[in-house]
Amino acid sequence: DTGVSQDPRHKITKRGQNVTFRCDPISEHNRLYWYRQTLGQGPEFLTYFQNEAQLEKSRLLSDRFSAERPKGSFSTLEIQRTEQGDSAMYLCASSFVSIYEQFFGPGTRLTVL
Amino acid sequence: DQQVKQNSPSLSVQEGRISILNCDYTNSMFDYFLWYKKYPAEGPTFLISISSIKDKNEDGRFTVFLNKSAKHLSLHIVPSQPGDSAVYFCAASHTGANSKLTFGKGITLSVRP
Repeated sequence: DTGVSQDPRHKITKRGQNVTFRCDPISEHNRLYWYRQTLGQGPEFLTYFQNEAQLEKSRLLSDRFSAERPKGSFSTLEIQRTEQGDSAMYLCASSFVSIYEQFFGPGTRLTVL
Repeated sequence: DQQVKQNSPSLSVQEGRISILNCDYTNSMFDYFLWYKKYPAEGPTFLISISSIKDKNEDGRFTVFLNKSAKHLSLHIVPSQPGDSAVYFCAASHTGANSKLTFGKGITLSVRP
Protein backbone atom coordinates (compact mmCIF):
# COMPACT_ATOMS: atom_id res chain seq x y z
CA ASP A 1 0.00 0.00 0.00
CA THR A 2 1.62 3.26 -1.11
CA GLY A 3 -0.94 5.65 0.39
CA VAL A 4 -0.68 7.90 3.45
CA SER A 5 -0.62 5.94 6.70
CA GLN A 6 -1.26 7.12 10.25
CA ASP A 7 -0.60 5.49 13.57
CA PRO A 8 -2.37 4.85 15.88
CA ARG A 9 -5.85 4.78 14.39
CA HIS A 10 -7.45 5.31 17.77
CA LYS A 11 -6.12 6.79 21.01
CA ILE A 12 -7.93 7.13 24.31
CA THR A 13 -6.17 9.11 26.99
CA LYS A 14 -6.86 10.87 30.24
CA ARG A 15 -6.86 14.62 30.54
CA GLY A 16 -3.40 15.95 31.24
CA GLN A 17 -1.52 13.15 29.48
CA ASN A 18 0.73 13.65 26.46
CA VAL A 19 0.04 11.91 23.16
CA THR A 20 2.00 11.55 19.94
CA PHE A 21 0.71 10.63 16.49
CA ARG A 22 2.69 9.56 13.47
CA CYS A 23 2.08 10.13 9.78
CA ASP A 24 3.91 8.46 6.88
CA PRO A 25 3.18 10.34 3.65
CA ILE A 26 3.33 9.07 0.09
CA SER A 27 7.06 8.66 -0.36
CA GLU A 28 7.66 11.09 -3.24
CA HIS A 29 5.54 13.87 -1.74
CA ASN A 30 7.46 16.80 -0.32
CA ARG A 31 4.53 18.60 1.34
CA LEU A 32 2.84 17.23 4.44
CA TYR A 33 -0.21 18.76 6.12
CA TRP A 34 -1.98 18.17 9.44
CA TYR A 35 -5.70 18.86 9.83
CA ARG A 36 -8.17 18.38 12.67
CA GLN A 37 -11.80 17.42 12.22
CA THR A 38 -14.50 17.62 14.86
CA LEU A 39 -18.04 16.29 14.65
CA GLY A 40 -20.17 18.05 12.06
CA GLN A 41 -17.29 20.12 10.72
CA GLY A 42 -14.93 19.85 7.81
CA PRO A 43 -11.21 19.34 8.40
CA GLU A 44 -9.38 22.43 9.67
CA PHE A 45 -5.78 23.22 8.80
CA LEU A 46 -3.25 22.96 11.62
CA THR A 47 0.21 23.09 10.08
CA TYR A 48 2.27 22.06 7.08
CA PHE A 49 5.81 21.10 6.10
CA GLN A 50 7.71 21.39 2.90
CA ASN A 51 10.41 18.76 3.19
CA GLU A 52 11.64 19.14 6.78
CA ALA A 53 10.73 22.82 7.18
CA GLN A 54 7.56 23.75 9.05
CA LEU A 55 6.30 26.69 7.03
CA GLU A 56 3.01 27.67 8.66
CA LYS A 57 1.06 27.02 11.82
CA SER A 58 -2.60 27.84 12.33
CA ARG A 59 -3.70 29.87 15.32
CA LEU A 60 -5.64 26.69 16.22
CA LEU A 61 -2.28 25.16 17.11
CA SER A 62 -1.77 26.20 20.71
CA ASP A 63 1.57 26.02 22.51
CA ARG A 64 0.63 22.53 23.69
CA PHE A 65 0.86 21.25 20.13
CA SER A 66 4.13 20.57 18.36
CA ALA A 67 4.86 18.92 15.03
CA GLU A 68 8.06 17.70 13.46
CA ARG A 69 9.22 16.20 10.22
CA PRO A 70 12.84 15.48 11.03
CA LYS A 71 14.16 14.09 7.75
CA GLY A 72 11.48 15.28 5.40
CA SER A 73 9.79 11.89 5.47
CA PHE A 74 7.42 10.91 8.30
CA SER A 75 5.95 13.47 10.68
CA THR A 76 4.84 13.43 14.30
CA LEU A 77 2.23 15.56 16.03
CA GLU A 78 2.47 15.79 19.80
CA ILE A 79 -0.15 17.19 22.14
CA GLN A 80 0.99 17.94 25.67
CA ARG A 81 -1.33 18.15 28.68
CA THR A 82 -4.34 17.03 26.68
CA GLU A 83 -7.72 18.64 27.30
CA GLN A 84 -11.19 17.33 26.53
CA GLY A 85 -11.48 19.91 23.76
CA ASP A 86 -8.61 18.16 21.95
CA SER A 87 -10.88 15.20 21.22
CA ALA A 88 -11.10 15.04 17.42
CA MET A 89 -9.97 13.20 14.32
CA TYR A 90 -6.41 14.20 13.38
CA LEU A 91 -5.79 13.88 9.66
CA CYS A 92 -2.53 13.92 7.75
CA ALA A 93 -2.28 14.65 4.04
CA SER A 94 0.57 14.85 1.55
CA SER A 95 1.14 16.32 -1.89
CA PHE A 96 3.74 17.48 -4.37
CA VAL A 97 4.66 21.16 -4.21
CA SER A 98 3.33 21.94 -7.67
CA ILE A 99 0.27 19.68 -7.64
CA TYR A 100 -2.57 20.89 -5.50
CA GLU A 101 -4.46 17.70 -4.79
CA GLN A 102 -3.78 16.45 -1.28
CA PHE A 103 -4.07 12.79 -0.37
CA PHE A 104 -5.27 11.95 3.11
CA GLY A 105 -4.50 9.18 5.53
CA PRO A 106 -7.20 7.35 7.52
CA GLY A 107 -6.79 9.65 10.52
CA THR A 108 -6.16 9.17 14.23
CA ARG A 109 -9.25 9.41 16.42
CA LEU A 110 -8.31 10.97 19.79
CA THR A 111 -10.63 10.73 22.77
CA VAL A 112 -9.65 12.63 25.92
CA LEU A 113 -11.50 11.48 29.03
CA ASP B 1 -15.90 33.08 9.53
CA GLN B 2 -16.87 30.25 7.20
CA GLN B 3 -15.03 30.91 3.94
CA VAL B 4 -16.39 27.78 2.26
CA LYS B 5 -20.06 27.06 2.75
CA GLN B 6 -22.08 23.97 2.04
CA ASN B 7 -25.49 25.13 3.11
CA SER B 8 -27.42 21.91 2.59
CA PRO B 9 -26.43 19.34 5.22
CA SER B 10 -27.98 16.41 3.37
CA LEU B 11 -29.30 15.24 0.02
CA SER B 12 -31.26 12.13 -0.91
CA VAL B 13 -31.61 10.95 -4.52
CA GLN B 14 -32.88 7.89 -6.35
CA GLU B 15 -30.36 5.52 -7.89
CA GLY B 16 -29.76 6.39 -11.54
CA ARG B 17 -30.75 10.05 -11.13
CA ILE B 18 -28.48 13.06 -10.95
CA SER B 19 -27.00 14.30 -7.66
CA ILE B 20 -26.12 17.99 -7.50
CA LEU B 21 -24.03 19.15 -4.55
CA ASN B 22 -23.50 22.88 -4.12
CA CYS B 23 -20.75 24.93 -2.54
CA ASP B 24 -20.19 28.67 -2.11
CA TYR B 25 -17.04 30.54 -1.14
CA THR B 26 -16.29 34.05 0.00
CA ASN B 27 -12.52 34.45 -0.36
CA SER B 28 -11.67 35.80 -3.81
CA MET B 29 -8.05 34.64 -3.38
CA PHE B 30 -9.12 31.01 -3.76
CA ASP B 31 -8.06 29.75 -7.17
CA TYR B 32 -8.27 25.97 -6.92
CA PHE B 33 -11.23 23.92 -5.79
CA LEU B 34 -11.55 20.27 -4.88
CA TRP B 35 -14.21 17.77 -3.89
CA TYR B 36 -13.55 14.98 -1.44
CA LYS B 37 -15.67 12.01 -0.47
CA LYS B 38 -15.56 10.59 3.03
CA TYR B 39 -16.84 7.34 4.48
CA PRO B 40 -17.17 6.91 8.27
CA ALA B 41 -13.89 6.10 10.05
CA GLU B 42 -11.83 6.84 6.92
CA GLY B 43 -9.91 9.84 5.69
CA PRO B 44 -11.25 12.01 2.85
CA THR B 45 -10.71 10.61 -0.64
CA PHE B 46 -9.94 13.01 -3.49
CA LEU B 47 -12.62 12.99 -6.21
CA ILE B 48 -12.17 15.83 -8.66
CA SER B 49 -10.75 19.33 -8.84
CA ILE B 50 -10.97 22.48 -10.92
CA SER B 51 -8.73 25.47 -11.45
CA SER B 52 -10.20 28.97 -11.47
CA ILE B 53 -9.15 29.36 -15.12
CA LYS B 54 -11.74 26.74 -16.09
CA ASP B 55 -15.50 26.58 -15.65
CA LYS B 56 -15.97 22.84 -16.01
CA ASN B 57 -14.03 19.65 -15.37
CA GLU B 58 -15.34 16.17 -16.03
CA ASP B 59 -14.13 12.77 -14.89
CA GLY B 60 -16.39 9.84 -15.65
CA ARG B 61 -19.64 10.22 -13.74
CA PHE B 62 -18.37 13.30 -11.89
CA THR B 63 -18.45 16.86 -13.25
CA VAL B 64 -17.54 20.00 -11.36
CA PHE B 65 -18.79 23.41 -12.49
CA LEU B 66 -17.30 26.69 -11.35
CA ASN B 67 -19.00 30.09 -11.54
CA LYS B 68 -16.36 32.58 -10.44
CA SER B 69 -18.57 35.64 -10.60
CA ALA B 70 -21.05 34.01 -8.24
CA LYS B 71 -18.30 32.35 -6.17
CA HIS B 72 -20.18 29.11 -6.56
CA LEU B 73 -19.28 25.59 -7.56
CA SER B 74 -21.25 22.41 -7.89
CA LEU B 75 -20.54 18.72 -8.20
CA HIS B 76 -22.77 16.67 -10.47
CA ILE B 77 -22.87 12.89 -10.18
CA VAL B 78 -24.70 11.09 -12.93
CA PRO B 79 -25.94 8.44 -12.77
CA SER B 80 -25.94 8.22 -8.96
CA GLN B 81 -25.19 4.82 -7.45
CA PRO B 82 -25.79 3.48 -3.91
CA GLY B 83 -22.02 3.29 -3.42
CA ASP B 84 -21.89 7.07 -3.80
CA SER B 85 -23.60 7.42 -0.41
CA ALA B 86 -21.08 9.28 1.75
CA VAL B 87 -20.21 12.75 3.05
CA TYR B 88 -18.92 15.10 0.36
CA PHE B 89 -16.64 17.99 1.23
CA CYS B 90 -15.94 21.00 -0.91
CA ALA B 91 -12.47 22.50 -0.38
CA ALA B 92 -10.70 25.59 -1.68
CA SER B 93 -7.08 26.60 -1.92
CA HIS B 94 -4.94 29.65 -2.66
CA THR B 95 -2.18 28.08 -4.69
CA GLY B 96 0.06 31.15 -4.59
CA ALA B 97 0.33 30.80 -0.84
CA ASN B 98 0.71 27.50 0.99
CA SER B 99 -2.04 25.57 -0.80
CA LYS B 100 -3.66 24.64 2.50
CA LEU B 101 -7.22 23.48 2.04
CA THR B 102 -10.20 25.30 3.51
CA PHE B 103 -13.15 22.92 3.80
CA GLY B 104 -16.90 23.31 4.01
CA LYS B 105 -18.88 21.38 6.61
CA GLY B 106 -19.86 18.65 4.17
CA ILE B 107 -23.04 17.27 2.63
CA THR B 108 -24.33 13.80 3.42
CA LEU B 109 -25.50 12.16 0.19
CA SER B 110 -27.84 9.18 0.35
CA VAL B 111 -28.57 7.31 -2.86
CA ARG B 112 -31.69 5.16 -2.56
CA PRO B 113 -31.75 1.87 -4.49
